[in-house]
Amino acid sequence: QQQVKQSPQSLIVQKGGISIINCAYENTAFDYFPWYQQFPGKGPALLIAIRPDVSEKKEGRFTISFNKSAKQFSLHIMDSQPGDSATYFCAASRGFGAGTALIFGKGTTLSVSS
Amino acid sequence: GAGVSQSPSNKVTEKGKDVELRCDPISGHTALYWYRQSLGQGLEFLIYFQGNSAPDKSGLPSDRFSAERTGGSVSTLTIQRTQQEDSAVYLCASSSPAGESRTDTQYFGPGTRLTVL
Repeated sequence: QQQVKQSPQSLIVQKGGISIINCAYENTAFDYFPWYQQFPGKGPALLIAIRPDVSEKKEGRFTISFNKSAKQFSLHIMDSQPGDSATYFCAASRGFGAGTALIFGKGTTLSVSS
Repeated sequence: GAGVSQSPSNKVTEKGKDVELRCDPISGHTALYWYRQSLGQGLEFLIYFQGNSAPDKSGLPSDRFSAERTGGSVSTLTIQRTQQEDSAVYLCASSSPAGESRTDTQYFGPGTRLTVL
């Protein structure tokens, strides 16, 4: 049973466009929802994260939208750039601050064409 | 150190051999995680260490997999009698959930790419 479902699997966006990646989760005990960015040959790096007490969090061109009732959250990349081309993973965990394992989605490969 | 380091970066082994993968976490981080990333798949949790507590081994796929963490720092993931389906990138991460910052940010190493022939 996959606890975090991510879509689409791949995404092609023109430079300057908006990239949108969606995730849905099942466990209502999850209380921490990070997005990780991974470039080829590198480990994932935290991009932005949200907790369920807010519905949106913005950092620069990156925004997380969170819908607690629907158990869904999404990543929006505004003004997408070729340098954003990477694989993006959503994740979820429970017990924020206690240190727990992340449950990851299967990833979305984003290609931004110049 | 500046970040999480892992060694070797690449490992090719024959089916049936044992392998050891090493992780050096960020200094002072009390939590250490191992994940496995297979082609086309997300990251799969394997095992988690937090301070001196008993590790959470719930993600280990079989008893051929084991891990230890010595002195609360370096960790070694051991795979015995490797199988072809063990081929993947093994990622280590560390965080400081018990630190003053109380952040759950997990910092990942570059991974070890394991190929079982």
